Amino acid sequence: GQSLEQPSEVTAVEGAIVQINCTYQTSGFYGLSWYQQHDGGAPTFLSYNALDGLEETGRFSSFLSRSDSYGYLLLQELQMKDSASYFCAVRDNTNAGKSTFGDGTTLTVKP
Amino acid sequence: NAGVTQTPKFQVLKTGQSMTLQCAQDMNHEYMSWYRQDPGMGLRLIHYSVGAGITDQGEVPNGYNVSRSTTEDFPLRLLSAAPSQTSVYFCASSYSTGRDTIYFGEGSWLTVV
Repeated sequence: GQSLEQPSEVTAVEGAIVQINCTYQTSGFYGLSWYQQHDGGAPTFLSYNALDGLEETGRFSSFLSRSDSYGYLLLQELQMKDSASYFCAVRDNTNAGKSTFGDGTTLTVKP
Repeated sequence: NAGVTQTPKFQVLKTGQSMTLQCAQDMNHEYMSWYRQDPGMGLRLIHYSVGAGITDQGEVPNGYNVSRSTTEDFPLRLLSAAPSQTSVYFCASSYSTGRDTIYFGEGSWLTVV
């Protein structure tokens, strides 16, 4: 099976940099994904790492280390609109592509 | 672009009633799934399907049924609603290969009284 752990809450100020960590246990997966969810909204895709290393998409970057079973999402130049929940997820490569999500990290950005 | 469409958006049920949450996608995705999300919690997989005629149970399947008669549609049936099923339900779809983005519907807020 798959399990993922994330911090439940993170707080930062506007303009700062924040890192949200994700550790996982998996029997096999394609890669690590990150999703953003604003209050009352649906999760939306942010980033994906299939290979070890850093992937950058604008202000957001994501990192994966398969040897450490660890990844993180890095948010730079924080804006108030970044206040949301962030979920890491893995897609099983042995069980029909079933996706498992972490419990999410609530990011609060303060002025 | 419609994407993933869920109906209804809000529903109040009495304990013991049954209902169906509808989900349709127009992206020709093989993989579809249903999640529930309780307040302040993550997404828990209820059922999923890798193609028409194929469904399987996720993490929390009890009290729910699904079917997949077409590629586009993946309805979720609550057999006999219980207050513990009060939650937000998300339908999702993607291609079945590894990296493909999961697209979510807007959610269905269900309250069982």
